[in-house]
Amino acid sequence: GDSVTQMEGPVTLSEEAFLTINCTYTATGYPSLFWYVQYPGEGLQLLLKATKADDKGSNKGFEATYRKETTSFHLEKGSVQVSDSAVYFCAPRVRGSARQLTFGSGTQLTVLP
Amino acid sequence: DVKVTQSSRYLVKRTGEKVFLECVQDMDHENMFWYRQDPGLGLRLIYFSYDVKMKEKGDIPEGYSVSREKKERFSLILESASTNQTSMYLCASSLGTGRGEAFFGQGTRLTVV
Repeated sequence: GDSVTQMEGPVTLSEEAFLTINCTYTATGYPSLFWYVQYPGEGLQLLLKATKADDKGSNKGFEATYRKETTSFHLEKGSVQVSDSAVYFCAPRVRGSARQLTFGSGTQLTVLP
Repeated sequence: DVKVTQSSRYLVKRTGEKVFLECVQDMDHENMFWYRQDPGLGLRLIYFSYDVKMKEKGDIPEGYSVSREKKERFSLILESASTNQTSMYLCASSLGTGRGEAFFGQGTRLTVV
């Protein structure tokens, strides 16, 4: 079945540091790829998405590129802020499946001032 | 703004009580989902529904049931609440079998005492 392997946390960085959270997936078919963010005490929000190979999703300074050849969708940000402290989830979704949404385990990011 | 609304942010119930968690979406989405989220375990799918009155078990359905009488509403029922059901519960919705994103509610923090 479909699965996601996400970089384990927690990750602690200083403000303005570079962030990478790795995500690789296995999926039958051709998935869309998503990164969600969850701020403390809240539900998940869509951070960015990419729907086909080589697409780059971007939002709030975060970026991720759909790499079909390596089945990866790594999340990056050049300069993190304290307000980026949250849990990040990688999630592919395959067409034709009502169920999928498949979530990674989540990566807790803490940014220190 | 699109919205998924969960009826309660915080809920405290006694062991053995029957508990209803309600979720309403205003996007005319076919799919609706219930997850629970626990530290270190990520998001686990309890049940999902792909149409009115249609439901399928997720990964951890034991102790739960669901109801979808109208397209916009998806209820999670704890038949007899137990302390091990203390958790954060997240509702989500998405379009049919396409590859679009899911939209989440704000979550319900349930404590069973």
